Amino acid sequence: DQQVKQNSPSLSVQEGRISILNCDYTNSMFDYFLWYKKYPAEGPTFLISISSIKDKNEDGRFTVFLNKSAKHLSLHIVPSQPGDSAVYFCAASDNYGQNFVFGPGTRLSVLP
Amino acid sequence: DAGITQSPRHKVTETGTPVTLRCHQTENHRYMYWYRQDPGHGLRLIHYSYGVKDTDKGEVSDGYSVSRSKTEDFLLTLESATSSQTSVYFCAISERTGDSGYNEQFFGPGTRLTVL
Repeated sequence: DQQVKQNSPSLSVQEGRISILNCDYTNSMFDYFLWYKKYPAEGPTFLISISSIKDKNEDGRFTVFLNKSAKHLSLHIVPSQPGDSAVYFCAASDNYGQNFVFGPGTRLSVLP
Repeated sequence: DAGITQSPRHKVTETGTPVTLRCHQTENHRYMYWYRQDPGHGLRLIHYSYGVKDTDKGEVSDGYSVSRSKTEDFLLTLESATSSQTSVYFCAISERTGDSGYNEQFFGPGTRLTVL
């Protein structure tokens, strides 16, 4: 049973528009969440994080929203660029970030 | 970029043979992790280490063992490789940021292992 779910295996967005990637979790003890981006043949790279005491965190074009009551978080990318095309993983921790559980990933394609 | 290397980067082996993958870091981070990535599963934790000679099991530890004799090196061993262990293996490192909390995990470039 997956504790972290990313129900959209893939997403296509036009360049310049908003990309919204979703993540749902089942464990109410998760207190820290990360998003990673992964290009083919490379390791995942950290994108943005949010702790459970916040409901929003912004970093440039990337914003993560957390809805604890719905056990849902989302990553917004505005505006989307072709270089954003990658697989995005959501990850959650219940021990302040010592260990993480990862979702299966969503492949984002940004079309020029 | 965090200083993490993995070796080998690619390996093809036969069922039943032992395989050791190496992760080397130059960041002096205390925590090190081994994950495997498979389609539809994302990244799953195999084993992790919270210090020299201190290791613990992750979600999918069966068939794998680890060792950490130095801060900078974390070895993953498949004692007798099986086809189900064909995967891409990633090493990651992290460090505590205070009394509670850790920084994000930094990942190595991965090792693609094929077991025939």
